Amino acid sequence: DAMVIQNPRYQVTQFGKPVTLSCSQTLNHNVMYWYQQKSSQAPKLLFHYYDKDFNNEADTPDNFQSRRPNTSFCFLDIRSPGLGDAAMYLCATSRGGIRAEKLFFGSGTQLSVL
Amino acid sequence: ILNVEQSPQSLHVQEGDSTNFTCSFPSSNFYALHWYRWETAKSPEALFVMTLNGDEKKKGRISATLNTKEGYSYLYIKGSQPEDSATYLCAFNIQGAQKLVFGQGTRLTINP
Repeated sequence: DAMVIQNPRYQVTQFGKPVTLSCSQTLNHNVMYWYQQKSSQAPKLLFHYYDKDFNNEADTPDNFQSRRPNTSFCFLDIRSPGLGDAAMYLCATSRGGIRAEKLFFGSGTQLSVL
Repeated sequence: ILNVEQSPQSLHVQEGDSTNFTCSFPSSNFYALHWYRWETAKSPEALFVMTLNGDEKKKGRISATLNTKEGYSYLYIKGSQPEDSATYLCAFNIQGAQKLVFGQGTRLTINP
């Protein structure tokens, strides 16, 4: 049974049209992450939540926002997608603690921007 | 800027052969090194989390070693099978942080 679920699997949006990607988990993990991966590049951390504490990466564009309304759900909002935002977006969770425990990933959302 | 490098970027191996690839990471402020396997159309899946210099971990035909002093880890696959075809990602956990910095992965293809 899937423990980290991302919807949708494929998302097509228009240039400049806001889009929201969703992630849910059944693991009751404290930490939720959003990674962006462009073709053949390393997954790049955008931000993460430790419980309700939001941690933004310094180089994450302002165009990217996130919400975590409760333990189970986390959303990635792209306010005005550009062509360069086309990528695979991966959500992951971990238990948290003094170091990053192993991550549990969703299957990702492949975003296309037309 | 933290840099995690994996080599080679891609690898083709004959079924039954053994193979290995490398992950290089900063040797300072080390906390943990993770390995993940990512099969096409599936979720990345954790293989190992390694924390101590000299650590060796094994899962079936796959094993990994860790050298934190010089900043590298090797992943070994013995007797490669078609189901081993995947991208293998390593990730570095800096001390005191919850986040992981990933390498770009090694894409492994096993030829029958």
